[in-house]
Amino acid sequence: AQKVTQAQTEISVVEKEDVTLDCVYETRDTTYYLFWYKQPPSGELVFLIRRNSFDEQNEISGRYSWNFQKSTSSFNFTITASQVVDSAVYFCALSPLGNTGKLIFGQGTTLQVKP
Amino acid sequence: DAGVTQSPTHLIKTRGQQVTLRCSPKSGHDTVSWYQQALGQGPQFIFQYYEEEERQRGNFPDRFSGHQFPNYSSELNVNALLLGDSALYLCASRRRYRGTGGADYGYTFGSGTRLTVV
Repeated sequence: AQKVTQAQTEISVVEKEDVTLDCVYETRDTTYYLFWYKQPPSGELVFLIRRNSFDEQNEISGRYSWNFQKSTSSFNFTITASQVVDSAVYFCALSPLGNTGKLIFGQGTTLQVKP
Repeated sequence: DAGVTQSPTHLIKTRGQQVTLRCSPKSGHDTVSWYQQALGQGPQFIFQYYEEEERQRGNFPDRFSGHQFPNYSSELNVNALLLGDSALYLCASRRRYRGTGGADYGYTFGSGTRLTVV
């Protein structure tokens, strides 16, 4: 069975603090993709990153960074120097590698950044 | 370049009624997937369409059906609505991977249709 767990339901931080959103996944597949999406109040899911299971290099994009550890089945997301505009619901998702449209999402983590 | 367009944005229906939601994929995309997102939950995969056929289906009853048109747009139909069908329905599109380098798994999501069943 494939599953994504985001244990943190809600996180509240003060602006400029660093915050890490946890994601743990389960899959028997040896190849797969992992994603992070941001969902602002408008409802649209905004793509942040995609990683494939072959590539365990950590990635940094501006204030965002991702830590992929296959040994612990985790794909954590860190926002450095958080801003109020980062307030949203963040979803981690898993997809088998191949021609499928199925994304398996976690429950989401609501991040509130206070000024 | 328009992204994924969904209509209507909001809808209120009565139990037992039928509803049709519409999705226009992003330009250049030929594959459409539908998701149901209940309040406070992550999106759940309903089904995927490409080449006008349902290709994969999640754990949803037959009351949920769909269609894809030759222009790649898609409809989601739900019959005999239940209160539990109240949710945000999201459409996602992408260009189907065709086995060459540079695979594009870039799912683009629409803003969804908020369905309320009363």
